[in-house]
Amino acid sequence: GGIITQTPKFLIGQEGQKLTLKCQQNFNHDTMYWYRQDSGKGLRLIYYSITENDLQKGDLSEGYDASREKKSSFSLTVTSAQKNEMAVFLCASRPLGGGDEQYFGPGTRLTVL
Amino acid sequence: GDQVEQSPSALSLHEGTGSALRCNFTTTMRAVQWFRKNSRGSLINLFYLASGTKENGRLKSAFDSKERYSTLHIRDAQLEDSGTYFCAARRGGNYKPTFGKGTSLVVHP
Repeated sequence: GGIITQTPKFLIGQEGQKLTLKCQQNFNHDTMYWYRQDSGKGLRLIYYSITENDLQKGDLSEGYDASREKKSSFSLTVTSAQKNEMAVFLCASRPLGGGDEQYFGPGTRLTVL
Repeated sequence: GDQVEQSPSALSLHEGTGSALRCNFTTTMRAVQWFRKNSRGSLINLFYLASGTKENGRLKSAFDSKERYSTLHIRDAQLEDSGTYFCAARRGGNYKPTFGKGTSLVVHP
């Protein structure tokens, strides 16, 4: 079996700060996703990458950048943290063909002071 | 865009009882996945279905692509079943899954 690792687990930032979240998977999956989950809301897709070197905007891409450095790695950058922002950022991956079951990482909890 | 309507938004059960969660889709979906969010905010994969039903312990899920819905049945609820449950569905050829808004389940002694 594989695993998805997200770093850091907890991230505390200051208003206006640029913050980077990292995700690594060893499933050898092609497609990777970044979601944001706010309390009381469903998951919202920020960015996704269908294959290595691909980058697609999701429904919530404004205020974020993403980078698929290599097949196993997908980073998300909050370009300017918003004051009092609190959310959990979840990374997921799935294979390109065959079954399309998604596998999720443990999440990064962001708090902006 | 694709819509996933999840109900109920909140559910309270006594230990030992059961109920069902439902997701309705506004379009034909290729597959559905059900998750439970744990206390740390991680999503635990419960079921993935492209059709039919699957059962795992006290949980059972069904997916009807033609009728555009999926259900998650919980029987003999236990305290540790408390949490938020999400469904997510995807159309064929579309890489973007759509999530429901979640069902917050509380199981009482």
